[in-house]
Amino acid sequence: GAVVSQHPSRVICKSGTSVKIECRSLDFQATTMFWYRQFPKQSLMLMATSNEGSKATYEQGVEKDKFLINHASLTLSTLTVTSAHPEDSSFYICSAPPAGLYEQYFGPGTRLTVT
Amino acid sequence: KQEVTQIPAALSVPEGENLVLNCSFTDSAIYNLQWFRQDPGKGLTSLLLIQSSQREQTSGRLNASLDKSSGRSTLYIAASQPGDSATYLCAVRRNTDKLIFGTGTRLQVFP
Repeated sequence: GAVVSQHPSRVICKSGTSVKIECRSLDFQATTMFWYRQFPKQSLMLMATSNEGSKATYEQGVEKDKFLINHASLTLSTLTVTSAHPEDSSFYICSAPPAGLYEQYFGPGTRLTVT
Repeated sequence: KQEVTQIPAALSVPEGENLVLNCSFTDSAIYNLQWFRQDPGKGLTSLLLIQSSQREQTSGRLNASLDKSSGRSTLYIAASQPGDSATYLCAVRRNTDKLIFGTGTRLQVFP
């Protein structure tokens, strides 16, 4: 099956700093990738749709200036949490649908802790 | 707006029991429905995907059914094992690639 990786798997940062999370499709190209956030014991909430070569589309209530998304190539999307605060601490997961397939494949997630 | 609900929210059963997890969605205009498993602190593992034109899918001890007109899907787990302990999520997809996730069912199977 298709493989999606994320890096880092775990990051701790100080309040006010920025953190970049990478999402890569390892064996397929993805013109679209999705970023989700999951708080403890809650389900996944879609944050934004990352589009290769164009601007990301953000869901209602998600600050685009705080969560910067760059889909630089057909295999890489990055999410940068700018000026992170403790309330941004969460589990961030990306997904990508291989072209022509119906399933979405998810990365292993990144645990962000802001102190 | 599509809303996806899963019942029960949590379930604790002894090993060997057959289980039914429920997923309901408010908008029946879906493209497909996917069931996932999530272990604590981990990403998602896709279990089964049902296209809107299908009624069920099976994989090993898992069987998922879909009744699109009534907005329901069930995941049936036969002969449950402690290794099945995890959170199970259903997600529906419309005509875009966006997935809308359910609230999840936390399953614990004890020996």
